[in-house]
Amino acid sequence: QSVLTQPPSVSGAPGQRVTISCTGSSSNIGAGDDIHWYQQLAGTVPKLLIYGNNNRPSGVPDRFSASKSGTSASLAITGLQAEDEADYYCQSYDRSLSGWVFGGGTKLTVL
Amino acid sequence: EVQLLESGGGLVQPGGSLRLSCAASGFTFSTSDMTWVRQAPGNGLEWVSAIRGNGVKTHYADSVKGRFTISRDISKNTLYLQMNSLRAEDTAIYYCAKMSKVGAATSYFDYWGQGTLVTVSS
Repeated sequence: QSVLTQPPSVSGAPGQRVTISCTGSSSNIGAGDDIHWYQQLAGTVPKLLIYGNNNRPSGVPDRFSASKSGTSASLAITGLQAEDEADYYCQSYDRSLSGWVFGGGTKLTVL
Repeated sequence: EVQLLESGGGLVQPGGSLRLSCAASGFTFSTSDMTWVRQAPGNGLEWVSAIRGNGVKTHYADSVKGRFTISRDISKNTLYLQMNSLRAEDTAIYYCAKMSKVGAATSYFDYWGQGTLVTVSS
């Protein structure tokens, strides 16, 4: 059971907008800790997608955006493309555990 | 260009030990916080351990505390993970990653190695 809760799967058709939620608690997201997002394409290494709640590293398209409110966060992908099919993970720090934590991951399927 | 290259994985029996290495280049290793993250086959990411740039402060997930030790050799630009008393549930790909953060905010993992597979089985 992950400290940060994500839906196991989401799907969308090309061109659509999808969102992936990440629900935490008062000891992580709710405590003001930043949320970061990673993309892992099949068979590859995780890649930083969003950092500091809504900042994109160089090379990440602006189709990807994120937000945070209270004890939850979400990743939004607009103009869905086939190449976006991947597993997505949220990550933060948990003050009760005194360590970094990941969500369980969400598999995005592009229909 | 930042590069992280893990090595040291392999097959080990339950109760055995293994030391993973991560050779770093392309950034100032001596002042960078570093971390290990693992991924069991077909599963999600699990944070394992982290070490501050000064090498003094270390952090561990409860699942490995007391069994794993993270360390670094600045002269060799290398990060290590000594794993003792290994269990079947430690079977995973182990990634080393460089940590970054903006100001006092929560750290994130901006560069990852290719990973090394550790299999614990008799």
